[in-house]
Amino acid sequence: AQRVTQPEKLLSVFKGAPVELKCNYSYSGSPELFWYVQYSRQRLQLLLRHISRESIKGFTADLNKGETSFHLKKPFAQEEDSAMYYCALRPTSGTYKYIFGTGTRLKVLA
Amino acid sequence: NAGVTQTPKFRVLKTGQSMTLLCAQDMNHEYMYWYRQDPGMGLRLIHYSVGEGTTAKGEVPDGYNVSRLKKQNFLLGLESAAPSQTSVYFCASSYRGYNEQFFGPGTRLTVL
Repeated sequence: AQRVTQPEKLLSVFKGAPVELKCNYSYSGSPELFWYVQYSRQRLQLLLRHISRESIKGFTADLNKGETSFHLKKPFAQEEDSAMYYCALRPTSGTYKYIFGTGTRLKVLA
Repeated sequence: NAGVTQTPKFRVLKTGQSMTLLCAQDMNHEYMYWYRQDPGMGLRLIHYSVGEGTTAKGEVPDGYNVSRLKKQNFLLGLESAAPSQTSVYFCASSYRGYNEQFFGPGTRLTVL
C-alpha cells in the first residue's frame, strides 16, 4: 500500500539548533516526494520537491531510496520556521492522487 | 490574482442537511482537488478533476459528490451531512498533475 509516515506529531527545538523532520514512505515504484508547509494563519504551500534538489529557506531534503526516506533538514532553526510540515508523495504510475503524511508541528523556541 | 478561493470559510450544519462548497481558481489550472484535514489524519484526497467536465474519486469519496462544469470552478457537495464529515476542507489546483499544487484557505465545516 502507498503510505507516507511522519512519526513525530510535534518537534520542539531551540533557536539555532539543527532540525530534522522525518518522512518515510511506502511505494514500490519511483515516487516524487514533496514537503509542504503551513505557517500560522496562512495557506498550505510547497516548500520543496526532491527533483528540484534546491535549498529553500535553508531547508534541504534528500531522497534516500534505500531507506525509503525523505527527511527535511535545516542546520540552524529560526523562530519563523515554526509551522506545520507535511510530507507528500505523488506516485509516478500515471495517477495524480497525492498522498500526504499526517504532518509534524515544528516549534522553534527562543 | 486571487489564486485559489473557497466559499464559505465557515459553516455549521445539522445532520441530514445538504450544502455545496465552492472552489474557484484564476490561474487557468487544469487539475483541481478536494481534500479533508482531520486531526492525526493529515490531508486525505476526496475527489479530483483533471480537466473541465471530468471528476475522479480519491481516497475518501463516500458521502461527497463533485462537479467541474467550468474550468475555474470545482464544487464539492454533501447531500446528507453526517457528524463524521466535520472537518476542514481544502481545495487545491495545479497546472498539470505533476506540477505544484496551490491551496485555498480552507473551509471549516461542523456537522451537529
